[in-house]
Amino acid sequence: GAGVSQTPSNKVTEKGKYVELRCDPISGHTALYWYRQSLGQGPEFLIYFQGTGAADDSGLPNDRFFAVRPEGSVSTLKIQRTERGDSAVYLCASSPRPGAGGHEQFFGPGTRLTVL
Amino acid sequence: GQQVMQIPQYQHVQEGEDFTTYCNSSTTLSNIQWYKQRPGGHPVFLIQLVKSGEVKKQKRLTFQFGEAKKNSSLHITATQTTDVGTYFCAGGSSGTYKYIFGTGTRLKVLA
Repeated sequence: GAGVSQTPSNKVTEKGKYVELRCDPISGHTALYWYRQSLGQGPEFLIYFQGTGAADDSGLPNDRFFAVRPEGSVSTLKIQRTERGDSAVYLCASSPRPGAGGHEQFFGPGTRLTVL
Repeated sequence: GQQVMQIPQYQHVQEGEDFTTYCNSSTTLSNIQWYKQRPGGHPVFLIQLVKSGEVKKQKRLTFQFGEAKKNSSLHITATQTTDVGTYFCAGGSSGTYKYIFGTGTRLKVLA
């Protein structure tokens, strides 16, 4: 079956611009995560959705970052006034309905964001 | 805040040698997951451990969760070139589905 997809695969933008990154999770998965991964580092948690609501947004670095999941499926990560330090690979992961003790995350291929 | 560290950062082994990576959390975990990321790829789930002292095996891979649920290890027996990649642990905490990923161990296998 289809896995998690992310678009675009690459995004180059200029400092100060606005960008949107899209994630299409596996059909039926209620949980969705956004992570940011810099070169040589582990994925850094940004936000977690359970259904349509952001159950935990404690990883968002500042108010320039915002994410939505209006219908409980597709999610969009929005970054305003981009800075060079925002350059990274943004990963999305989805999980089936959570059970006791956590649940496996299925990662998408990521969007490589470069801010010039 | 919660931190998850892994050692070593890098490991080069000859094909056929064993490999171990260690994961340590600053706080007690409810569960721990392990992922493998090939160069240029995305993390792929390997396993989840939930119980204190739990040991799970997948072919040549052995995963262990510490008694205090603050550390974990992944051991690969007789490495193969297909084992190349970065191995991450990810710690989950009670009351949240947030996962904190470790710093990763990058494995290179020399044929």
